[in-house]
Amino acid sequence: GEDVEQSLFLSVREGDSSVINCTYTDSSSTYLYWYKQEPGAGLQLLTYIFSNMDMKQDQRLTVLLNKKDKHLSLRIADTQTGDSAIYFCAVSFGGSQGNLIFGKGTKLSVKP
Amino acid sequence: DAGITQSPRHKVTETGTPVTLRCHQTENHRYMYWYRQDPGHGLRLIHYSYGVKDTDKGEVSDGYSVSRSKTEDFLLTLESATSSQTSVYFCAISSGGHTGELFFGEGSRLTVL
Repeated sequence: GEDVEQSLFLSVREGDSSVINCTYTDSSSTYLYWYKQEPGAGLQLLTYIFSNMDMKQDQRLTVLLNKKDKHLSLRIADTQTGDSAIYFCAVSFGGSQGNLIFGKGTKLSVKP
Repeated sequence: DAGITQSPRHKVTETGTPVTLRCHQTENHRYMYWYRQDPGHGLRLIHYSYGVKDTDKGEVSDGYSVSRSKTEDFLLTLESATSSQTSVYFCAISSGGHTGELFFGEGSRLTVL
């Protein structure tokens, strides 16, 4: 079945850039998403990219999509301690936009 | 914040007892989902609903049933809870719009002893 893989941990220093990577198997996904989960809370949509785009930039966030390699990345510029959270990559499946398969999440730790 | 309320937020129960988790939304969204979150597994879809009385199975549906008799409520039932169902359960809703954005509740932590 559909699979989404992410590395589990990433540690960076405040002010550096963070890059979180994700690979997926279903090439039919129309939208690909990044969600953020802060401790004790539910997930919140951070950003998304349409499958016919290579890049999307939103303030400090840059999403890169390589459809050929089925690779998605999230870059956070000037990472702050408030960015410490778990970041989930997700892709849609089954032809329904709301049916998402999530990766296991990457825990980002930002050191002052 | 999207109007999603999960109840109870915390529950401890014993193996073999029935448990029902409730998700209530005030957004009138068509789609509702139940996920479970476990260390090392991320989020996995249990069941989802695409309308009143319309539900379907997700990736990990064994041992769970759902019901949706009203647009605003989506119930998840564990008929006979087992320790492997100890988890954090998240409800999510979606309008089914073009981007498929999900809005999540705050989660229900269930411990089965």
